[in-house]
Amino acid sequence: SAVISQKPSRDICQRGTSLTIQCQVDSQVTMMFWYRQQPGQSLTLIATANQGSEATYESGFVIDKFPISRPNLTFSTLTVSNMSPEDSSIYLCSVGSGWTPEAFFGQGTRLTVV
Amino acid sequence: AQRVTQPEKLLSVFKGAPVELKCNYSYSGSPELFWYVQYSRQRLQLLLRHISRESIKGFTADLNKGETSFHLKKPFAQEEDSAMYYCALRSYGQNFVFGPGTRLSVLP
Repeated sequence: SAVISQKPSRDICQRGTSLTIQCQVDSQVTMMFWYRQQPGQSLTLIATANQGSEATYESGFVIDKFPISRPNLTFSTLTVSNMSPEDSSIYLCSVGSGWTPEAFFGQGTRLTVV
Repeated sequence: AQRVTQPEKLLSVFKGAPVELKCNYSYSGSPELFWYVQYSRQRLQLLLRHISRESIKGFTADLNKGETSFHLKKPFAQEEDSAMYYCALRSYGQNFVFGPGTRLSVLP
């Protein structure tokens, strides 16, 4: 299993600003995923971040809005840029690898944009 | 395209009653199916996966490829089972696709 620490756990931000969310894993993992969970909705994949390569974004998500860093096998960041109230959501970091089929999740970052 | 559906947003049962949370999927290959659970104020966590064919906390789920279903069942619901349940599928080495979730409420 993997233990994931995600920071901050929650934040209230002004529109137009940016927030960087950090995800730290206690072991080296190949694949890291960033999800968004809007109120009352399921998880939607934002992007997949593999170490040493550019993040792969899903349809509807772009790098300018959600830049991702993956400097090593245990850490990643997601930035929510130029925020608007529509970005209010829970953002989740998840890890998996080709060897373990299941995904492990951070506790999430609850973002409120005012 | 990969897709997971969970027809019930909310399911309420009485303690001791059987419970079945429905999940259907669409995928052309051989997916791996999972059930994840999120208890109040806790992180999303794996409940069970079809390849293990195991029973966790009394829950079981059988993959029915003919009906493309992976329903989650428990013969006697407990109050502590109240949570949000997500069905998910994954093809090897790829990302997960989650269903919309079903909130299970077990009434005393």
